[in-house]
Amino acid sequence: EAGVTQFPSHSVIEKGQTVTLRCDPISGHDNLYWYRRVMGKEIKFLLHFVKESKQDESGMPNNRFLAERTGGTYSTLKVQPAELEDSGVYFCASSQLWTGPTEAFFGQGTRLTVV
Amino acid sequence: AQTVTQSQPEMSVQEAETVTLSCTYDTSESDYYLFWYKQPPSRQMILVIRQEAYKQQNATENRFSVNFQKAAKSFSLKISDSQLGDAAMYFCAYRSAFTTDKLIFGTGTRLQVFP
Repeated sequence: EAGVTQFPSHSVIEKGQTVTLRCDPISGHDNLYWYRRVMGKEIKFLLHFVKESKQDESGMPNNRFLAERTGGTYSTLKVQPAELEDSGVYFCASSQLWTGPTEAFFGQGTRLTVV
Repeated sequence: AQTVTQSQPEMSVQEAETVTLSCTYDTSESDYYLFWYKQPPSRQMILVIRQEAYKQQNATENRFSVNFQKAAKSFSLKISDSQLGDAAMYFCAYRSAFTTDKLIFGTGTRLQVFP
């Protein structure tokens, strides 16, 4: 069974450009999360989808970030326009929809560098 | 708001020896889940072990065990018989049992294993 996959693995863009990150969750996982780790700091929650609906987007830093989840399958996270402080590793995770200590499965992350 | 603190940015251990990684957290909730995740270099983050706060017994998974001290809000990870493959970033994480599915992470501990 395929795990959570993220594209691209690395992206270097100039300040002001647009970048779109993609996450393909494990098939059948209704929960999808985006997290971000800025260099040397903690991994911070960005948002949570349940199927195609945004359940919690309290971690989104500002309106330059737009997340979508088409048909409850894959998700994209667009940063437009990118700023230097957006650099970091963006993780996607997915899990099954049930209460309890559900294990979240992570992708290997997209390393975004804004120059 | 809940917080997770990992006070050891780096740790090292010799192969076959035992190492303990520290994690403390702060919460006013009575029920929650705690996790240790491992991220090897350039690879996906994987779940190492989880603990449900209402369970007094410390979780164990093969060579990995935790020392969960609820009153002290401490959740350390012990790795016994360390192997070269244990070298990775280790993240401690908290999840509420009530309010939200999101994980709250610490800053991570980089573990080096020497032959």
